[in-house]
Amino acid sequence: AQSVAQPEDQVNVAEGNPLTVKCTYSVSGNPYLFWYVQYPNRGLQFLLKYITGDNLVKGSYGFEAEFNKSQTSFHLKKPSALVSDSALYFCAVRDDNAGNMLTFGGGTRLMVKP
Amino acid sequence: KAGVTQTPRYLIKTRGQQVTLSCSPISGHRSVSWYQQTPGQGLQFLFEYFSETQRNKGNFPGRFSGRQFSNSRSEMNVSTLELGDSALYLCASSLGTGQYNEKLFFGSGTQLSVL
Repeated sequence: AQSVAQPEDQVNVAEGNPLTVKCTYSVSGNPYLFWYVQYPNRGLQFLLKYITGDNLVKGSYGFEAEFNKSQTSFHLKKPSALVSDSALYFCAVRDDNAGNMLTFGGGTRLMVKP
Repeated sequence: KAGVTQTPRYLIKTRGQQVTLSCSPISGHRSVSWYQQTPGQGLQFLFEYFSETQRNKGNFPGRFSGRQFSNSRSEMNVSTLELGDSALYLCASSLGTGQYNEKLFFGSGTQLSVL
């Protein structure tokens, strides 16, 4: 069985400051990890993924994520937050025997204040 | 290139009725997955179809069913609606299924309200 935990329901950050949204996972096989963002009344938009290789993954809109196998974490980061980054962020995991079945975390609402 | 299209955008039904939701994937995509999103349970996987065959199924009752057509368009059906079925239903498409570099593209969803 696979699971994802996002320990923070909401993260508040001032514009221009760095942001981190936390994610830990559990999976039986090799982990395929994803971050998606959801804006109000919209579906999910893909930000980035980790499949294999470098532990630091770069994605859309200046976001990056760091894969840490020993801590089973995949935290989302951005060096300088924008007000327009305010949205709901989901971490997801898939193992290599699950087709396209993603298990999502509960989501973290990011609020960037001017 | 058009994105994933879900219809209708909003639906209001009453308990006991049934409903059919439609999803047109991105052209060339052969896999369609369905997810339910609620404030209490979050995002939960319903099922995945690839080349007209159900590949995976989540932990939902048999009232939830789906199918995929030869043109990769998919429908999901919920029979005997319950109040708890009120949710945003999201469809996602991808080129294939389970490949290491697979990426899902989501539609805007169908908001179902059961009264």
